[in-house]
Amino acid sequence: GQNIDQPTEMTATEGAIVQINCTYQTSGFNGLFWYQQHAGEAPTFLSYNVLDGLEEKGRFSSFLSRSKGYSYLLLKELQMKDSASYLCAISGGSYIPTFGRGTSLIVHP
Amino acid sequence: NAGVMQNPRHLVRRRGQEARLRCSPMKGHSHVYWYRQLPEEGLKFMVYLQKENIIDESGMPKERFSAEFPKEGPSILRIQQVVRGDSAAYFCASSPGTGVYLRRRGYTFGSGTRLTVV
Repeated sequence: GQNIDQPTEMTATEGAIVQINCTYQTSGFNGLFWYQQHAGEAPTFLSYNVLDGLEEKGRFSSFLSRSKGYSYLLLKELQMKDSASYLCAISGGSYIPTFGRGTSLIVHP
Repeated sequence: NAGVMQNPRHLVRRRGQEARLRCSPMKGHSHVYWYRQLPEEGLKFMVYLQKENIIDESGMPKERFSAEFPKEGPSILRIQQVVRGDSAAYFCASSPGTGVYLRRRGYTFGSGTRLTVV
Protein backbone atom coordinates (compact mmCIF):
# COMPACT_ATOMS: atom_id res chain seq x y z
CA GLY A 1 0.00 0.00 0.00
CA GLN A 2 0.90 3.65 -0.04
CA ASN A 3 0.77 6.41 2.53
CA ILE A 4 1.36 10.08 1.79
CA ASP A 5 1.64 12.81 4.38
CA GLN A 6 1.70 16.58 3.82
CA PRO A 7 0.72 19.55 5.99
CA THR A 8 -2.93 20.56 5.83
CA GLU A 9 -2.42 24.28 5.56
CA MET A 10 0.35 26.84 5.22
CA THR A 11 0.39 30.62 5.00
CA ALA A 12 3.02 32.85 3.47
CA THR A 13 3.55 36.44 2.41
CA GLU A 14 3.54 37.73 -1.14
CA GLY A 15 7.09 37.83 -2.52
CA ALA A 16 8.39 35.27 -0.03
CA ILE A 17 9.55 31.67 -0.48
CA VAL A 18 7.59 28.68 0.83
CA GLN A 19 8.49 25.00 1.05
CA ILE A 20 5.76 22.37 1.11
CA ASN A 21 6.92 18.99 2.36
CA CYS A 22 5.64 15.54 1.46
CA THR A 23 6.65 12.27 3.07
CA TYR A 24 5.57 8.90 1.77
CA GLN A 25 5.74 5.16 2.22
CA THR A 26 5.25 2.91 -0.78
CA SER A 27 6.04 -0.63 -1.82
CA GLY A 28 6.76 0.36 -5.42
CA PHE A 29 7.95 3.67 -6.85
CA ASN A 30 7.75 5.05 -10.36
CA GLY A 31 7.86 8.73 -9.61
CA LEU A 32 6.42 11.56 -7.55
CA PHE A 33 4.17 14.31 -8.86
CA TRP A 34 3.18 17.73 -7.63
CA TYR A 35 -0.09 19.26 -8.78
CA GLN A 36 -1.71 22.62 -8.14
CA GLN A 37 -5.46 22.85 -7.68
CA HIS A 38 -7.44 26.06 -7.35
CA ALA A 39 -10.81 25.76 -5.65
CA GLY A 40 -13.40 24.28 -7.97
CA GLU A 41 -10.92 23.63 -10.76
CA ALA A 42 -8.94 20.76 -12.26
CA PRO A 43 -5.57 19.81 -10.80
CA THR A 44 -2.77 21.04 -13.05
CA PHE A 45 0.62 19.39 -13.39
CA LEU A 46 3.62 21.14 -11.82
CA SER A 47 6.44 18.62 -11.65
CA TYR A 48 7.55 15.00 -11.78
CA ASN A 49 10.57 13.55 -9.98
CA VAL A 50 11.79 10.01 -10.43
CA LEU A 51 15.49 10.45 -9.56
CA ASP A 52 16.95 12.01 -6.43
CA GLY A 53 17.70 15.69 -6.59
CA LEU A 54 16.22 19.04 -7.47
CA GLU A 55 14.20 19.84 -10.57
CA GLU A 56 13.78 23.54 -11.27
CA LYS A 57 11.06 25.04 -13.43
CA GLY A 58 10.76 28.79 -13.23
CA ARG A 59 9.49 29.90 -9.80
CA PHE A 60 8.74 26.29 -8.85
CA SER A 61 11.27 23.62 -7.84
CA SER A 62 10.74 20.09 -6.61
CA PHE A 63 13.13 17.89 -4.66
CA LEU A 64 13.13 14.14 -4.13
CA SER A 65 15.00 11.80 -1.79
CA ARG A 66 13.92 8.23 -2.45
CA SER A 67 15.92 6.77 0.44
CA LYS A 68 14.15 9.09 2.89
CA GLY A 69 10.72 8.88 1.27
CA TYR A 70 10.69 12.67 1.13
CA SER A 71 9.93 15.41 -1.33
CA TYR A 72 9.34 19.12 -1.20
CA LEU A 73 7.89 21.74 -3.50
CA LEU A 74 9.58 25.13 -3.34
CA LEU A 75 7.72 28.21 -4.51
CA LYS A 76 9.69 31.42 -4.93
CA GLU A 77 8.56 35.02 -5.35
CA LEU A 78 5.10 34.13 -4.17
CA GLN A 79 2.15 35.77 -5.89
CA MET A 80 -1.44 36.05 -4.72
CA LYS A 81 -2.49 33.71 -7.53
CA ASP A 82 -0.35 30.97 -5.94
CA SER A 83 -3.02 30.60 -3.25
CA ALA A 84 -4.25 27.09 -3.99
CA SER A 85 -4.07 23.50 -2.85
CA TYR A 86 -0.85 21.62 -3.65
CA LEU A 87 -1.15 17.89 -4.11
CA CYS A 88 1.67 15.39 -3.74
CA ALA A 89 1.12 12.10 -5.59
CA ILE A 90 3.06 8.86 -5.86
CA SER A 91 3.09 6.65 -8.91
CA GLY A 92 3.56 3.16 -7.54
CA GLY A 93 4.22 -0.17 -9.16
CA SER A 94 0.96 -0.05 -11.11
CA TYR A 95 1.57 3.49 -12.44
CA ILE A 96 -1.70 4.62 -10.85
CA PRO A 97 -1.08 7.91 -9.05
CA THR A 98 -2.07 7.99 -5.38
CA PHE A 99 -2.67 11.46 -4.00
CA GLY A 100 -2.15 12.95 -0.58
CA ARG A 101 -4.83 15.15 1.01
CA GLY A 102 -3.16 18.27 -0.28
CA THR A 103 -1.72 21.38 1.36
CA SER A 104 -3.82 24.51 1.23
CA LEU A 105 -1.50 27.49 0.71
CA ILE A 106 -2.75 30.95 1.57
CA VAL A 107 -0.68 33.85 0.27
CA HIS A 108 -1.40 37.19 1.92
CA PRO A 109 -0.19 40.69 1.02
CA ASN B 1 -5.70 20.19 -29.10
CA ALA B 2 -8.57 20.07 -26.64
CA GLY B 3 -7.82 18.89 -23.14
CA VAL B 4 -9.69 16.27 -21.17
CA MET B 5 -13.40 17.00 -21.53
CA GLN B 6 -15.84 16.06 -18.82
CA ASN B 7 -19.55 16.57 -18.88
CA PRO B 8 -21.74 17.60 -17.37
CA ARG B 9 -19.90 20.09 -15.14
CA HIS B 10 -22.72 19.96 -12.61
CA LEU B 11 -25.24 17.19 -12.11
CA VAL B 12 -28.11 17.08 -9.64
CA ARG B 13 -29.83 13.80 -8.97
CA ARG B 14 -32.49 12.68 -6.52
CA ARG B 15 -31.78 9.75 -4.27
CA GLY B 16 -32.34 6.50 -6.14
CA GLN B 17 -31.71 7.92 -9.61
CA GLU B 18 -28.81 7.06 -11.88
CA ALA B 19 -25.88 9.35 -12.62
CA ARG B 20 -23.80 9.08 -15.79
CA LEU B 21 -20.55 10.98 -15.96
CA ARG B 22 -18.65 11.25 -19.23
CA CYS B 23 -14.97 11.75 -19.92
CA SER B 24 -13.33 12.25 -23.30
CA PRO B 25 -9.54 11.91 -22.94
CA MET B 26 -7.07 14.05 -24.79
CA LYS B 27 -6.47 13.08 -28.39
CA GLY B 28 -3.98 10.25 -28.53
CA HIS B 29 -4.50 9.23 -24.90
CA SER B 30 -5.69 5.69 -24.35
CA HIS B 31 -5.39 5.53 -20.54
CA VAL B 32 -8.17 6.93 -18.37
CA TYR B 33 -8.30 7.27 -14.57
CA TRP B 34 -11.31 8.25 -12.50
CA TYR B 35 -10.99 9.94 -9.11
CA ARG B 36 -13.46 11.16 -6.50
CA GLN B 37 -12.83 14.22 -4.36
CA LEU B 38 -14.77 15.16 -1.27
CA PRO B 39 -14.55 18.69 0.16
CA GLU B 40 -11.27 19.32 1.99
CA GLU B 41 -9.97 15.91 0.95
CA GLY B 42 -7.53 14.60 -1.61
CA LEU B 43 -8.28 12.76 -4.81
CA LYS B 44 -9.27 9.14 -4.21
CA PHE B 45 -8.54 6.68 -7.01
CA MET B 46 -11.53 4.75 -8.30
CA VAL B 47 -10.75 2.99 -11.57
CA TYR B 48 -8.15 2.79 -14.35
CA LEU B 49 -9.21 1.87 -17.86
CA GLN B 50 -7.70 1.44 -21.27
CA LYS B 51 -9.76 1.12 -24.42
CA GLU B 52 -12.33 -1.65 -23.87
CA ASN B 53 -10.56 -2.89 -20.73
CA ILE B 54 -10.77 -2.26 -17.01
CA ILE B 55 -7.19 -2.47 -15.77
CA ASP B 56 -7.69 -1.74 -12.07
CA GLU B 57 -10.94 -1.08 -10.24
CA SER B 58 -9.61 -1.52 -6.72
CA GLY B 59 -10.90 1.90 -5.64
CA MET B 60 -14.42 1.44 -6.93
CA PRO B 61 -17.22 0.57 -4.49
CA LYS B 62 -18.44 -2.96 -5.22
CA GLU B 63 -22.09 -1.96 -5.38
CA ARG B 64 -23.81 0.55 -7.69
CA PHE B 65 -20.66 1.86 -9.42
CA SER B 66 -19.42 0.79 -12.84
CA ALA B 67 -17.12 2.19 -15.51
CA GLU B 68 -16.43 1.57 -19.15
CA PHE B 69 -14.21 2.92 -21.90
CA PRO B 70 -15.58 1.66 -25.22
CA LYS B 71 -13.68 1.45 -28.46
CA GLU B 72 -15.56 4.48 -29.73
CA GLY B 73 -16.76 7.35 -27.55
CA PRO B 74 -16.03 8.65 -24.08
CA SER B 75 -15.37 6.80 -20.87
CA ILE B 76 -18.47 6.56 -18.70
CA LEU B 77 -18.68 6.37 -14.91
CA ARG B 78 -22.11 5.14 -13.92
CA ILE B 79 -23.60 5.37 -10.44
CA GLN B 80 -26.87 3.57 -9.93
CA GLN B 81 -29.38 4.36 -7.18
CA VAL B 82 -27.43 7.35 -5.93
CA VAL B 83 -27.32 8.21 -2.24
CA ARG B 84 -26.39 11.47 -0.51
CA GLY B 85 -22.90 10.11 0.25
CA ASP B 86 -22.18 9.98 -3.48
CA SER B 87 -22.19 13.78 -3.61
CA ALA B 88 -18.66 14.76 -4.60
CA ALA B 89 -16.52 16.05 -7.44
CA TYR B 90 -15.53 13.32 -9.89
CA PHE B 91 -12.40 13.92 -11.91
CA CYS B 92 -11.09 12.09 -14.92
CA ALA B 93 -7.44 12.08 -15.96
CA SER B 94 -5.79 10.72 -19.09
CA SER B 95 -2.35 9.83 -20.36
CA PRO B 96 -0.90 8.19 -23.47
CA GLY B 97 0.83 5.63 -21.26
CA THR B 98 3.94 5.84 -19.18
CA GLY B 99 7.45 7.14 -19.78
CA VAL B 100 8.68 10.38 -21.26
CA TYR B 101 5.27 12.02 -21.59
CA LEU B 102 4.57 11.65 -17.88
CA ARG B 103 7.89 13.21 -17.00
CA ARG B 104 7.08 16.33 -18.99
CA ARG B 105 3.33 16.70 -18.61
CA GLY B 106 2.04 14.29 -16.01
CA TYR B 107 -1.52 13.08 -16.09
CA THR B 108 -3.95 15.59 -17.59
CA PHE B 109 -7.13 16.21 -15.63
CA GLY B 110 -10.54 17.34 -16.76
CA SER B 111 -12.49 20.05 -14.95
CA GLY B 112 -14.59 17.50 -13.13
CA THR B 113 -18.27 16.76 -12.65
CA ARG B 114 -19.80 17.99 -9.43
CA LEU B 115 -22.52 15.58 -8.43
CA THR B 116 -25.12 16.67 -5.91
CA VAL B 117 -27.62 14.15 -4.61
CA VAL B 118 -30.74 15.67 -3.09
